[in-house]
Amino acid sequence: QVQLVESGGGLVNPGGSLRLSCAASGFTFTDYYMNWIRQAPGKGLEWLSYISPSTTYTNFADSVKGRFTISRDNAKNSLYLQMNSLRAEDTAVYYCARDYRGDHLFDYWGQGILVTVSS
Amino acid sequence: SYVLTQAPSVSAAPGQTARITCGGNNIGSMNVHWYQQRPGQAPVLVVYDTIDRPSGIPERFSGSKSGNTATLTISRVEAGDEADYYCQVWDSNTDLVVFGGGTNLTVL
Repeated sequence: QVQLVESGGGLVNPGGSLRLSCAASGFTFTDYYMNWIRQAPGKGLEWLSYISPSTTYTNFADSVKGRFTISRDNAKNSLYLQMNSLRAEDTAVYYCARDYRGDHLFDYWGQGILVTVSS
Repeated sequence: SYVLTQAPSVSAAPGQTARITCGGNNIGSMNVHWYQQRPGQAPVLVVYDTIDRPSGIPERFSGSKSGNTATLTISRVEAGDEADYYCQVWDSNTDLVVFGGGTNLTVL
């Protein structure tokens, strides 16, 4: 069955960096766009970024553009989110999600990983 | 930037019908997707392409669209339907994904 498992979260100081990982299994990873989506405590869902199967195409929400980068290692069936210049408002649960058919329909989500930005 | 507007909360008694709306400019030309998020859990897709249901989602969940509003209808509401519901589209003009603010469904 499809599984997405995030890791790498935790507590980080403002201005610091963190790299999230998402391990995928149960499907052909190279067939799918992948995404990162976050949810601040008590708030709604916020889409952050996508990456195409071959890494040719990526895009970012304005809120993280220039600070976050997305990448993937198809040999390892893994998705990554490098987060730099972190701010308190980046505190959230971060989800990786599979894009069902490449037009931003999310059919499987990970369980989420908490990132807390605080001194 | 594109905005999807949802009412913060909706309530329905067990066995009744709950309707959750999602408003957006020109939403009629977009595919609208709906996600259910129970407390402490990841979101789950319940309706896609405005009207279709993934396998395993009960027929009680249905979607529709009229004018600038998409609607998720939950018939014969059950206690287990209590959750937050989010609509979502892809804005092709900006290549950005947009979620509505979410609606909390309370089962009375």
